[in-house]
Amino acid sequence: GDSVTQMEGPVTLSEEAFLTINCTYTATGYPSLFWYVQYPGEGLQLLLKATKADDKGSNKGFEATYRKETTSFHLEKGSVQVSDSAVYFCALSDPPPGFQKLVFGTGTRLLVSP
Amino acid sequence: NAGVTQTPKFQVLKTGQSMTLQCAQDMNHNSMYWYRQDPGMGLRLIYYSASEGTTDKGEVPNGYNVSRLNKREFSLRLESAAPSQTSVYFCATRRVTGELFFGEGSRLTVL
Repeated sequence: GDSVTQMEGPVTLSEEAFLTINCTYTATGYPSLFWYVQYPGEGLQLLLKATKADDKGSNKGFEATYRKETTSFHLEKGSVQVSDSAVYFCALSDPPPGFQKLVFGTGTRLLVSP
Repeated sequence: NAGVTQTPKFQVLKTGQSMTLQCAQDMNHNSMYWYRQDPGMGLRLIYYSASEGTTDKGEVPNGYNVSRLNKREFSLRLESAAPSQTSVYFCATRRVTGELFFGEGSRLTVL
């Protein structure tokens, strides 16, 4: 079945450092790919998405590029802030139309210190 | 515009007790989901509802039942709670373009 693998955490960085969180996937066909973020005590929020190969999703300074050749969707940010401390989840789903279920990775905790 | 609202936010049960988690959405989405989140295991799908009147099992349905009462509401019931059901439960809805929208979560402890 479809699956998502994320790098183990926590990832600990100093403010203004460069961030990469790795995500690879296994799926049949051409899934849509997502990054969600969960701040302490809250539900998950969509951070960005990409729906086809070579698409780049971006939001709040975060970026991820859909790489079909390497089945990857790595999350990057050029300069992290303390407020970026959260848990980040990579996910995939079958593409629309039709009903699809999301498959989530196990999450990667990011800790940013001043 | 509340989005996805879950109640209660916190609950403590004794083994064998029953309870229902409520979820309501005002986003007019057809699809609704119940997930549980446990440390180191990410989110696991319990049940989902593709549309009003339909429900289907997800990855970990044992010990749970659901009801899709109408388009807005999707409830999760634990008939006889067990310590293994201690978790944080999230309700979510899905836009047709694929994005999920989550509630704030319900933290359940079973003693």
